[in-house]
Formats: sequence, C-alpha cells, structure tokens
Amino acid sequence: DTEVTQTPKHLVMGMTNKKSLKCEQHMGHRAMYWYKQKAKKPPELMFVYSYEKLSINESVPSRFSPECPNSSLLNLHLHALQPEDSALYLCASSQGPIGGTEAFFGQGTRLTVV
Amino acid sequence: ILNVEQSPQSLHVQEGDSTNFTCSFPSSNFYALHWYRWETAKSPEALFVMTLNGDEKKKGRISATLNTKEGYSYLYIKGSQPEDSATYLCAYYGNNRLAFGKGNQVVVIP
Repeated sequence: DTEVTQTPKHLVMGMTNKKSLKCEQHMGHRAMYWYKQKAKKPPELMFVYSYEKLSINESVPSRFSPECPNSSLLNLHLHALQPEDSALYLCASSQGPIGGTEAFFGQGTRLTVV
Repeated sequence: ILNVEQSPQSLHVQEGDSTNFTCSFPSSNFYALHWYRWETAKSPEALFVMTLNGDEKKKGRISATLNTKEGYSYLYIKGSQPEDSATYLCAYYGNNRLAFGKGNQVVVIP
C-alpha cells in the first residue's frame, strides 16, 4: 500500500464553521506534512510532523490547527476561516526527513470558504 | 524564502517529439532536489530525488540532470506520448524545508 488517503475530497464551509481534514497512510512513514496550494502557485508548506511531534509550523494562522493522533493519521482542524483560505490542501508523508527520500502525496482536499 | 523557478511555465509538444525544461534553485545549503509528476485529479508522484552534483537519473523516457554548483536541474522527456501530459513539479530541499516551484505544465498533442 503506497497510498496517502485524504478525506473529504471537496469541502465547502462557512466562515463560522468548524471542520477537519483527514489524512491517512499505512506505509510506516514517520514524517507527515500539510501543504496548501492556491491556483497557479506552488504548493506551500504549512506544517511538518516528525514522529508524531510538530516539528515545523510555517507561521500558519491559528485558525488552522494540526493534530497527529498516531503515526498513521494527520488531521487539520479548521475554524473561523476566511474566503482567502480557499485552496487545495495536500497531505504528504515520507519515510524519514523529506530531504533525501521521496514524498508520497494524497489527492488533496479542495476547500472553498464562503 | 526559498526561490525555486521553473521554465517554461507551460508547453505544448507534438507526440513523438522530445522536450526539456528547467528548474533553478538556490545553490547554497543544498541538500536534495526532487521532481514530481502531477496528473490532473491525481496525487503528485515522485519521479526522482537527486542529491549529488552531476547526478543523472532516468525512468523510462524521462531523465533528469542536476548541477548543484550553479543551481539548476533539467528534466527531459524523450519521444513524448499523450500520457506524459501532466504538470512537472520540482522541489528543492534545504534549510529543513521542501520548497516547490510552480511547475511545468506539459500538454502532448497526438
């Protein structure tokens, strides 16, 4: 199994809603990542978890709250988002630190904030 | 901010023709350079992870070279096929970050 599974594939939420994005992998990878991609822009790193601990937070606003309940799961909790947060959210995992080993990506969650 | 530039941003290629495109990245604090292929409605898929200056890697009709001293990598597609249509992302790893370029969007015309 070389898949990273993200749910939901699409999400529309209001600015007062609370929702969560989920990411799951069963490759035994110990590093997991959240990226955000807006149209015609490169994917931008948001968070890195290494061995279930948050190791990098790229100054992401607190309305995005990551959680890694175990080594296979990564969540992104969303609260009080703004329309400009609408984007494709990609989850990735790698065997070790992402530098020397390839990352495996999910298909992404297309988020629309209304 | 890690500046990773890819050019050209998009290109149309006739089936059977070969093509190449460029990724440029900071030459300082280099650790690795990744190439991914991203087809519409699918996940980005790793093609190559390159770490050594002068490295060349090949996967079928696709190959890549790396020059870490001058900060660039080339991706080549030989004899393009319609299934090669995708966005090719390069990503530079340095300073504990994997930073992506905007991608090279390739459309192969049958």
